[in-house]
Amino acid sequence: SQTIHQWPATLVQPVGSPLSLECTVEGTSNPNLYWYRQAAGRGLQLLFYSVGIGQISSEVPQNLSASRPQDRQFILSSKKLLLSDSGFYLCAWSAGAMNTEAFFGQGTRLTVV
Amino acid sequence: AQKITQTQPGMFVQEKEAVTLDCTYDTSDPSYGLFWYKQPSSGEMIFLIYQGSYDQQNATEGRYSLNFQKARKSANLVISASQLGDSAMYFCAMREGHEAAGNKLTFGGGTRVLVKP
Repeated sequence: SQTIHQWPATLVQPVGSPLSLECTVEGTSNPNLYWYRQAAGRGLQLLFYSVGIGQISSEVPQNLSASRPQDRQFILSSKKLLLSDSGFYLCAWSAGAMNTEAFFGQGTRLTVV
Repeated sequence: AQKITQTQPGMFVQEKEAVTLDCTYDTSDPSYGLFWYKQPSSGEMIFLIYQGSYDQQNATEGRYSLNFQKARKSANLVISASQLGDSAMYFCAMREGHEAAGNKLTFGGGTRVLVKP
């Protein structure tokens, strides 16, 4: 069966420090991968998605970047965190068919101080 | 422009009663899929139900049903016989079928449901 791992669960980082959040998927190949951010009590904002290795689409201009160095690995990064980067980050994967749901990781709660 | 709109930020519902959560969407693509997710306070995202744009019948999954009105571009979620465990945020999402959409899954702002005993 397929599983998705996302870590760490919580993270407190100072302003100006770098960030690296990792997400890996097991049990499937060539998944679509997504990074979302959720502000407290709000909806999910799509940050990046990827349909293949090295293929990254960015949805909003921001202080973050994403990479997909391997088929089932998706990394969210920042060189210098801002206070506004605080939030709940969710990684997700889905199969290629339109009618397939996305499966989410447990999320990372990032607080920039 | 917003692709997915959920106009109800929060709702109270009495235990054992039904509740309808509104979702409207905007697309010119004839091929699309609509999803509903539940997010309890733990933060996990739980898939509830799916409706395809070409599906002739409304989707149902246990106590969840989707009231799909294609001409009005609405896909409301109905939860029957509410339980205390239904208290959560609920999100509507859409995936468009055209190639340029790239399998994006776009979410609405969510509706918080609180079930009262």
